[in-house]
Amino acid sequence: SQTIHQWPATLVQPVGSPLSLECTVEGTSNPNLYWYRQAAGRGLQLLFYSVGIGQISSEVPQNLSASRPQDRQFILSSKKLLLSDSGFYLCAWSSHSGANVLTFGAGSRLTVL
Amino acid sequence: SQKIEQNSEALNIQEGKTATLTCNYTNYSPAYLQWYRQDPGRGPVFLLLIRENEKEKRKERLKVTFDTTLKQSLFHITASQPADSATYLCAPSRNSSYKLIFGSGTRLLVRP
Repeated sequence: SQTIHQWPATLVQPVGSPLSLECTVEGTSNPNLYWYRQAAGRGLQLLFYSVGIGQISSEVPQNLSASRPQDRQFILSSKKLLLSDSGFYLCAWSSHSGANVLTFGAGSRLTVL
Repeated sequence: SQKIEQNSEALNIQEGKTATLTCNYTNYSPAYLQWYRQDPGRGPVFLLLIRENEKEKRKERLKVTFDTTLKQSLFHITASQPADSATYLCAPSRNSSYKLIFGSGTRLLVRP
């Protein structure tokens, strides 16, 4: 069966520091991969999605970037965090066939101070 | 631009009643309408999807309808229980597009 792992679960970072959140999927190949952000009390904002290695679409201009160094690995990064980057970051995957149903990771809660 | 609207106000109902949540979309031609449940501090979990050629879909106490003319989906939970309290999100989707945008969600509170 397929599983999705996301880490770290929680982190507190100072403004201006770098960020790296990692997500890996097991039990499938060539998944679609997603990063969403959820600010407190708000909806899901799509940040990036990738349909394959080297193919990353950015949905929101910001100081974040995403990379897909391996087929089942998706990394969210920032060189310098802003206060507004605080939130709940969710990784998800889907298969290329069918209705594009997403399976989400447990999330990473980022607090920027 | 594409827009998905769900009631932003929480829906507060008595246990045992039917909860009905609404999802309206504009500038979309989805082949599917997906519904997810999200509990506080957790990622959303897929519940049910309905295809454009289906009027209604059921799964246990859940029922979803899809009206492509009205551009609306309704999500019903019958015989609601306090454990059904959560935020429910809708997302229209198509086979040809992997970009999945969610509505802002409706919070459901079921009182015992």
